[in-house]
Amino acid sequence: GNSVTQMEGPVTLSEEAFLTINCTYTATGYPSLFWYVQYPGEGLQLLLKATKADDKGSNKGFEATYRKETTSFHLEKGSVQVSDSAVYFCALKTGGFKTIFGAGTRLFVKA
Amino acid sequence: GAVVSQHPSRVICKSGTSVKIECRSLDFQATTMFWYRQFPKQSLMLMATSNEGSKATYEQGVEKDKFLINHASLTLSTLTVTSAHPEDSSFYICSAQNADRGNEQYFGPGTRLTVT
Repeated sequence: GNSVTQMEGPVTLSEEAFLTINCTYTATGYPSLFWYVQYPGEGLQLLLKATKADDKGSNKGFEATYRKETTSFHLEKGSVQVSDSAVYFCALKTGGFKTIFGAGTRLFVKA
Repeated sequence: GAVVSQHPSRVICKSGTSVKIECRSLDFQATTMFWYRQFPKQSLMLMATSNEGSKATYEQGVEKDKFLINHASLTLSTLTVTSAHPEDSSFYICSAQNADRGNEQYFGPGTRLTVT
């Protein structure tokens, strides 16, 4: 079946450090891939997405590239800020409408 | 942009009572909405898919008689937790699918339910 695996957290970084959160997936067909962010006590917000191989999604300095050959969609940001502290979820969606989420990775950014 | 609201944002109820949570799509019509449950520090677990005008489709292991879902209009779905018990305490999140935007999902802010 379809699944998403992302790196375990928490990830703790200093402000302005480089961020990578790994995400790999297993899916039949050609899924769309997403990163969502969840701030404390809130619901999920779509951060970025990519709908086909080699697409790069980007938003607010974050980016991720849909790599079909490695079935990966790693999230990166060149310089994190304290305000980026949150939980990040990698997810995929196929034509069946259901969104499959990874376990989430908690990010702490220290000033 | 598209906005999905949930009400209430927090609710505390006594064991044995029922609680209704509303999910509304504010600026688009959603024929399909989803209800998720999130345990502390864990991912979202899909509970059910709510389709306007028809019965909800529940995921395996989710009791449909305990978690009643009604999707009576294109902008409103409700989840009623019946005869709540402390183990039902959780964060419940809904999402609405916008068919006019490639079935993109928009998430509500969540409802924290505490059963005492």
